[in-house]
Amino acid sequence: KDQVFQPSTVASSEGAVVEIFCNHSVSNAYNFFWYLHFPGCAPRLLVKGSKPSQQGRYNMTYERFSSSLLILQVREADAAVYYCAAPFCGGFKTIFGAGTRLFVKA
Amino acid sequence: DSGVTQTPKHLITATGQRVTLRCSPRSGDLSVYWYQQSLDQGLQFLIQYYNGEERAKGNILERFSAQQFPDLHSELNLSSLELGDSALYFCASSVDGGDRSQQYFGPGTRLTVT
Repeated sequence: KDQVFQPSTVASSEGAVVEIFCNHSVSNAYNFFWYLHFPGCAPRLLVKGSKPSQQGRYNMTYERFSSSLLILQVREADAAVYYCAAPFCGGFKTIFGAGTRLFVKA
Repeated sequence: DSGVTQTPKHLITATGQRVTLRCSPRSGDLSVYWYQQSLDQGLQFLIQYYNGEERAKGNILERFSAQQFPDLHSELNLSSLELGDSALYFCASSVDGGDRSQQYFGPGTRLTVT
């Protein structure tokens, strides 16, 4: 069954580097999308692609079936839910992970 | 502001009723996606349209249906509503629906079924 897996929660302290891991079992998915979601607001795309990439404080690692989102110098305001998604079938389908809730201690 | 609009923002209705959620994609985007986010659940992909035609189906119940109109706006119809249908419903759009195309999300419609 095609699935995307990510931890349900991750906790960190301010200033640290947080890593959120994701892997999938979708044989014909080659890209990863990482979204930030504050409950009640629209999810926002952070990074995406089929190779390691960086957007500001957000880094994405890439392996064929796994990716990590690295958040540098994490802040309390980064506490949110982070979704990993794997588009496939030419983008016509996307499977989202269940989301990882990030807790940040001051 | 993503450029994707959804109406209404909030909707409260009773079990057994039918509602219609509306989405207007970003200008120029041909593909529209619908997602459901229930309490403490991740985003669940429901259905995708491209230029008026259904392209992909996810975990969409038979009680739910959608369509994309010639002007590219889309509507998600939810019928015979149950308490468990209470959720945030997001619409997203992308230029061409390809897997390298970024999806831009609307603000969502919060549906409460009582």
